[in-house]
Amino acid sequence: GEDVEQSLFLSVREGDSSVINCTYTDSSSTYLYWYKQEPGAGLQLLTYIFSNMDMKQDQRLTVLLNKKDKHLSLRIADTQTGDSAIYFCAVSLRGSQGNLIFGKGTKLSVKP
Amino acid sequence: GAGVSQSPSNKVTEKGKDVELRCDPISGHTALYWYRQSLGQGLEFLIYFQGNSAPDKSGLPSDRFSAERTGGSVSTLTIQRTQQEDSAVYLCASSSFYRGAYEQYFGPGTRLTVT
Repeated sequence: GEDVEQSLFLSVREGDSSVINCTYTDSSSTYLYWYKQEPGAGLQLLTYIFSNMDMKQDQRLTVLLNKKDKHLSLRIADTQTGDSAIYFCAVSLRGSQGNLIFGKGTKLSVKP
Repeated sequence: GAGVSQSPSNKVTEKGKDVELRCDPISGHTALYWYRQSLGQGLEFLIYFQGNSAPDKSGLPSDRFSAERTGGSVSTLTIQRTQQEDSAVYLCASSSFYRGAYEQYFGPGTRLTVT
């Protein structure tokens, strides 16, 4: 089955850019999502990209997709302390009804 | 507008008891999903409802788990004869279909602790 992998931790300084990486195994992945989870809260949909796109930008967020390498990244420009959270990569597969397969999440720590 | 709501927010139960977890999806969303988030396992898909179609139960870990969705809206996840390994945060999501993508919006979750 599909496997989604992320590094578990990332630490950056306030004002720097953060890049969170994700790899997946199933080439039939259609939509790829990034979710943010703050302590004690549910998951917040940040952005998503269709598999025929290479890049999507939304304010401080840039998503890059390398379909050949099955690699997805989320870049957060000018990272703020409020960006500290766990970031989940998730994919939906062709033919599925939208149920998502999640990575284990990357905990982003932003130091002042 | 109102988001996805779940109740209770926390539930402590004794091993062997049954529990019911409730999810109120966003009004107008036809799809509803249950996931489980536990330490070391990440987020696991449990079950999916879409309109009046038969639910996709492929993620349910055992026959002690079941879910219903009444009137195409509120859903209840039931765990019978709870075990300690059922301790986790149970997350509900509902979605709209927009430009080919299922935009899933999650509730705050129910933290279940089985003692």
